Amino acid sequence: DAGVTQSPTHLIKTRGQQVTLRCSPKSGHDTVSWYQQALGQGPQFIFQYYEEEERQRGNFPDRFSGHQFPNYSSELNVNALLLGDSALYLCASSQTGTGNTIYFGEGSWLTVV
Amino acid sequence: AQSVSQHNHHVILSEAASLELGCNYSYGGTVNLFWYVQYPGQHLQLLLKYFSGDPLVKGIKGFEAEFIKSKFSFNLRKPSVQWSDTAEYFCAVNAYNAGNMLTFGGGTRLMVKP
Repeated sequence: DAGVTQSPTHLIKTRGQQVTLRCSPKSGHDTVSWYQQALGQGPQFIFQYYEEEERQRGNFPDRFSGHQFPNYSSELNVNALLLGDSALYLCASSQTGTGNTIYFGEGSWLTVV
Repeated sequence: AQSVSQHNHHVILSEAASLELGCNYSYGGTVNLFWYVQYPGQHLQLLLKYFSGDPLVKGIKGFEAEFIKSKFSFNLRKPSVQWSDTAEYFCAVNAYNAGNMLTFGGGTRLMVKP
């Protein structure tokens, strides 16, 4: 049983460009969340998707957007990249509802130059 | 909005020493509490969680944590650490009305000397 899988694992982008990161949730999970983890800090919640809709959003600008597909997989898009967007982007999946264990993928390392 | 504080950013211990990592949160309502571990080069893994009931919870690899509601704390403990416990440890809070959103602390980097 595959856990949460993310792609790509590493990528380098130039300021102003756009990036798309992908996530496949753990089997049986229908809720996907995205987190940003800057170097030396804890993960910060970006947003959560359930039933193909954004359900919750953290304190991130509109440059950060996402999508969830009918098979529960998800994409994170970041437009107009800034140097400060360089971070590890984590995808987490769970079954909907409070109290269910949240599983994390290994993340996508984004470097903006 | 909830917040989480981890007081120790870096901890260095010798093998067999006892470990206690502090975690305090700010939120007045019902919370679920978690400790995650991130070994070098690996993804975040759940160590233990508290939802309700006995405030002393036991997790994997000999770790335990105690929820003290009056102190808004959820400290992580291990009686005797091993070199393989070298990792970064994150405390996280899920407010009861926040779905599956986790708020993380800044992390504590633990180094265990052999």
